[in-house]
Amino acid sequence: AQKITQTQPGMFVQEKEAVTLDCTYDTSDPSYGLFWYKQPSSGEMIFLIYQGSYDQQNATEGRYSLNFQKARKSANLVISASQLGDSAMYFCARGSTLGRLYFGRGTQLTVWP
Amino acid sequence: DADVTQTPRNRITKTGKRIMLECSQTKGHDRMYWYRQDPGLGLRLIYYSFDVKDINKGEISDGYSVSRQAQAKFSLSLESAIPNQTALYFCATSDKNRGTQGETQYFGPGTRLLVL
Repeated sequence: AQKITQTQPGMFVQEKEAVTLDCTYDTSDPSYGLFWYKQPSSGEMIFLIYQGSYDQQNATEGRYSLNFQKARKSANLVISASQLGDSAMYFCARGSTLGRLYFGRGTQLTVWP
Repeated sequence: DADVTQTPRNRITKTGKRIMLECSQTKGHDRMYWYRQDPGLGLRLIYYSFDVKDINKGEISDGYSVSRQAQAKFSLSLESAIPNQTALYFCATSDKNRGTQGETQYFGPGTRLLVL
């Protein structure tokens, strides 16, 4: 089974604080990619960050970083200095050799002032 | 202008009607996908296409069909809509540029479909 698990249905963080959104995955593929997407209340899916399974360093994109622990099969998203506009649903996804993505069920993040 | 567009953005239809959702992209990508999103279930793959002549079923293709009219266009049809097909539908595209380590997919704005 190509299972992606996001154990936190909802998370709350105060503005300017950091927050970690958890993601674990199953795979038997030796090579794969890990992705995080943001879905604000308007509904669109916004690509945030990518990590390749062979990448030696954790990916970073501005305030987003991906804490990749290959042996544990985890790919947690860290958002530093949270902003009110970060309030959204966040999806973790794993890429496959066939190009498709397998998505988790998402974590709803709420940033409060 | 958006790179991936979907029409219509919202649609209400009745049980048994045939409807088509359309997707167009200007990213020049070969690969296109259709997903549906239901509350609490994430996104699930309906169909995907690696080029005009290569179309594949995803995990929930029953009740749906697709047509890849050109590299830039990928349409999803519901032959006879039923209420449990009420969902948010996304089209996505990707470029084969990372080999086996996965490709970033870029999503359209989504189509909200309500089947009465």
